[in-house]
Amino acid sequence: AQSVTQLGSHVSVSEGALVLLRCNYSSSVPPYLFWYVQYPNQGLQLLLKYTSAATLVKGINGFEAEFKKSETSFHLTKPSAHMSDAAEYFCAVSDANQGGKLIFGQGTELSVKP
Amino acid sequence: DAGVTQSPTHLIKTRGQQVTLRCSPKSGHDTVSWYQQALGQGPQFIFQYYEEEERQRGNFPDRFSGHQFPNYSSELNVNALLLGDSALYLCASSPIQGGDEQFFGPGTRLTVL
Repeated sequence: AQSVTQLGSHVSVSEGALVLLRCNYSSSVPPYLFWYVQYPNQGLQLLLKYTSAATLVKGINGFEAEFKKSETSFHLTKPSAHMSDAAEYFCAVSDANQGGKLIFGQGTELSVKP
Repeated sequence: DAGVTQSPTHLIKTRGQQVTLRCSPKSGHDTVSWYQQALGQGPQFIFQYYEEEERQRGNFPDRFSGHQFPNYSSELNVNALLLGDSALYLCASSPIQGGDEQFFGPGTRLTVL
């Protein structure tokens, strides 16, 4: 069975500071890994995805994530936070089956202080 | 190019009633998945439709049922509504070929009183 754990339900950073959102996964098969962002009262927008190519994945809005198989982690980072980054972030895993169901973590709310 | 659309945006029902939510996938997509997102939680997979058939199902009771039409649009039906069914219902679409990425709609907010 697959699962995702996001460490920290709430993260607060200052504008311009490093953003680090943690995600650990469990999967018995090679995983596909995703980070989604959700702004208030909206659906989910894909930030980036790992699908067994390069382990360092670059996404939209300056975000990137590194797949570390030995640590079963897929942490999301951004060098410099912007006020517009304040949102809920979800890490998700699916198996390599095309179009397979996504298993989401509980989410991390990111606050950015001016 | 229109993305995933869902209707209605908001819905209020009472316990015991039935509800139907609708989803139109992104152009070129033939697979539709439904998720339930309770307040403060991550989305949970309900089921997925492809070629008008349910391909996968999550851990949801039979009160939750769905349908996919020949034009790939989909409906989610929930019978005998419970207070605990109050949530944001998200629809996601993907192409069956190269379908590792799912595109989400804005969701339908269901409130059960």
